[in-house]
Amino acid sequence: DTGVSQNPRHKITKRGQNVTFRCDPISEHNRLYWYRQTLGQGPEFLTYFQNEAQLEKSRLLSDRFSAERPKGSFSTLEIQRTEQGDSAMYLCASSLGDRAKNIQYFGAGTRLSVL
Amino acid sequence: EDKVVQSPLSLVVHEGDTVTLNCSYEVTNFRSLLWYKQEKKAPTFLFMLTSSGIEKKSGRLSSILDKKELFSILNITATQTGDSAIYLCAVETGGTSYGKLTFGQGTILTVHP
Repeated sequence: DTGVSQNPRHKITKRGQNVTFRCDPISEHNRLYWYRQTLGQGPEFLTYFQNEAQLEKSRLLSDRFSAERPKGSFSTLEIQRTEQGDSAMYLCASSLGDRAKNIQYFGAGTRLSVL
Repeated sequence: EDKVVQSPLSLVVHEGDTVTLNCSYEVTNFRSLLWYKQEKKAPTFLFMLTSSGIEKKSGRLSSILDKKELFSILNITATQTGDSAIYLCAVETGGTSYGKLTFGQGTILTVHP
C-alpha cells in the first residue's frame, strides 16, 4: 500500500498521559498536514510541514501539542497531559506541494479516546 | 475567520435518485475548492475546482464552482448504496503559505436499496 499510513489506528489512554502518533506520507510528497476531526464535524487544520520545516500552526494547537518531521519523511504528533477534550480522530495528509494543484491525500487516521 | 458551510447536513434517498449537495464559503486568499468522500476511513479525493463554470465529471459524480457567488455543488446521479458516506467540502487558502484546508461540517448521505 503506497498511500498515507498512520499508526496506531486506535489509542485509548487515561487523562494526564502523553501519547504520540506517527504518520508516513506518500513517498515523493514534500508536504505533510495534521488535522483533527470530532464527531459530526469536518476536519480542523492543526499544522503542516514542507519537508522538515513546520510552516504554520493553528491556534487550536495548544502548547501541549507538538509535531515534528525531523528528516522530512515521517511525522509525529505528540499530545502531553491529555485531556478528555483531546478525544478525536487525528488525520494526516500529504501532498506534492504543487502550487497549481495541491491535492491532499489522507490517511485513515488515529482515533484517540481519553478516559 | 475562514468559513465553509455545507447543506443539507444529512440526506436520505433511495437508489436511483439524483442528489445535489451544496457548499458555500467565505474565505480570504481562495486558491481552490475540493470535495472528498469519507466512509469509515480516510477521506478520499473526488474533485478539485479552481475556475468558475467549468464542470468536473467522474462517472455519476459532477461538480461545479461559482467564484462570484462563492459556492459549489456536487451532483450524484443514479445513486447506489455504495454512495452512502459523508461528503466533505474544503477550501484551500493561503498566499505564500498555501495549502491549509478549511472544511465544512460534511453532508451525511444515506442511500437505501
